[in-house]
Amino acid sequence: EVQLVESGGGLVQPGGSLRLSCAASGFTFSDYNMNWVRQAPGKGLEWVSFINSRSDVIFYAESVKGRFIVSRDNAWSSLSLQLTSLRDEDSAVYYCAREDTSSSPFSLWGQGTMVTVSS
Amino acid sequence: QSALTQPASVSGSPGQSITISCTGSSSDIGSNNAVSWYQQQHPGKAPKFIIYEVNKRPSGVSYRFSGSKSGNTAFLTIYGLQAEDEADYYCCGHAGPLHWVFGGGTKVTVL
Repeated sequence: EVQLVESGGGLVQPGGSLRLSCAASGFTFSDYNMNWVRQAPGKGLEWVSFINSRSDVIFYAESVKGRFIVSRDNAWSSLSLQLTSLRDEDSAVYYCAREDTSSSPFSLWGQGTMVTVSS
Repeated sequence: QSALTQPASVSGSPGQSITISCTGSSSDIGSNNAVSWYQQQHPGKAPKFIIYEVNKRPSGVSYRFSGSKSGNTAFLTIYGLQAEDEADYYCCGHAGPLHWVFGGGTKVTVL
């Protein structure tokens, strides 16, 4: 079955760190660019980060630049997002999403993992 | 970069057609055809990809969903509205160096 499964969410204090993972299966992970998208409680979708298939092109939203790091391991079909210097406003469900083409950036989604930043 | 502008809510009766607008700028919607739409049945549940490249439907998506664009505004039309179409809908555009930007979302209610 073609799927993405996120993990690693949880409760963390402001200023803390967390590492999210996304396990891909059912397709050749190394052929695809990947994205992270988040959704704060009661809010809309927000694109967070992009990494291309070879990890040599990476983009971040301004809201997370300098604090989040995206990486991938094609050998393990795994995508990661390292979250540091976390703020209250980073609380959200974090989704990983597969980009099929440059015009279909979020064609396959995981179920999401919840990050709560609170003291 | 501001989010794309969508109406907060749109409603219609079963069988009717509704249209959701998504207004951007010449830097995103108006500059390319990389417009996509997503349906989210429940907040916190994974969105579903329903339109790409302005008006193309992925395999398995109902023909009742149709996309279009005029200038800096994209549109999603749902024909023959059904109860199962009740959901939040998000547009997305390519914003160059900022990569992707979403609309604020539109809640569709089937009366």
